[in-house]
Amino acid sequence: DAKTTQPNSMESNEEEPVHLPCNHSTISGTDYIHWYRQLPSQGPEYVIHGLTSNVNNRMASLAIAEDRKSSTLILHRATLRDAAVYYCILRDGGYNQGGKLIFGQGTELSVKP
Amino acid sequence: GAVVSQHPSWVICKSGTSVKIECRSLDFQATTMFWYRQFPKQSLMLMATSNEGSKATYEQGVEKDKFLINHASLTLSTLTVTSAHPEDSSFYICSARIPGSSSYEQYFGPGTRLTVT
Repeated sequence: DAKTTQPNSMESNEEEPVHLPCNHSTISGTDYIHWYRQLPSQGPEYVIHGLTSNVNNRMASLAIAEDRKSSTLILHRATLRDAAVYYCILRDGGYNQGGKLIFGQGTELSVKP
Repeated sequence: GAVVSQHPSWVICKSGTSVKIECRSLDFQATTMFWYRQFPKQSLMLMATSNEGSKATYEQGVEKDKFLINHASLTLSTLTVTSAHPEDSSFYICSARIPGSSSYEQYFGPGTRLTVT
């Protein structure tokens, strides 16, 4: 599976936007970019995913570089409940991987009041 | 959204005993489920892919005879840690994928914390 690189940790202030970067220079044409987050002592939670175009949902926005070698998860207004580890994962859109997700180290986001 | 449950949420067992963890998809049928484990301050490590009606596919380095996976129905997969030892103490998490989803979005259970004494 193609690897992703994320900063180990980031800090944000409450109610300010947060931009979480992810580098995936070896991404292949069929890889989807997925973001999940994990709150302490819980299972991961789906945040957003995309292939080529930028995506928006109620939780966040995903900005994908034109060459697809990097992406940024954007939380428009961070809240204390957004404090979590955020994982950027490449998912093979083909059928030979069976849909499995391989987690990297992720970015631990802390939000200050 | 889709809901995945796990039972128990935590368990303490003695070294040498076996422990079974259940993973259920509550409002959808899951032909494929995944099992992960997570040590403190570490990321999730995929252990195996569980397919309904067939044998599980284990990741490299995971002992299939120690971590028995059964996926007997479309809503239930079980992970049995056999002859557990203290080093098996970990947070075990399952996930399920909605069949036919081209994006392979997965729904995760809340996890089971296993402590082996």
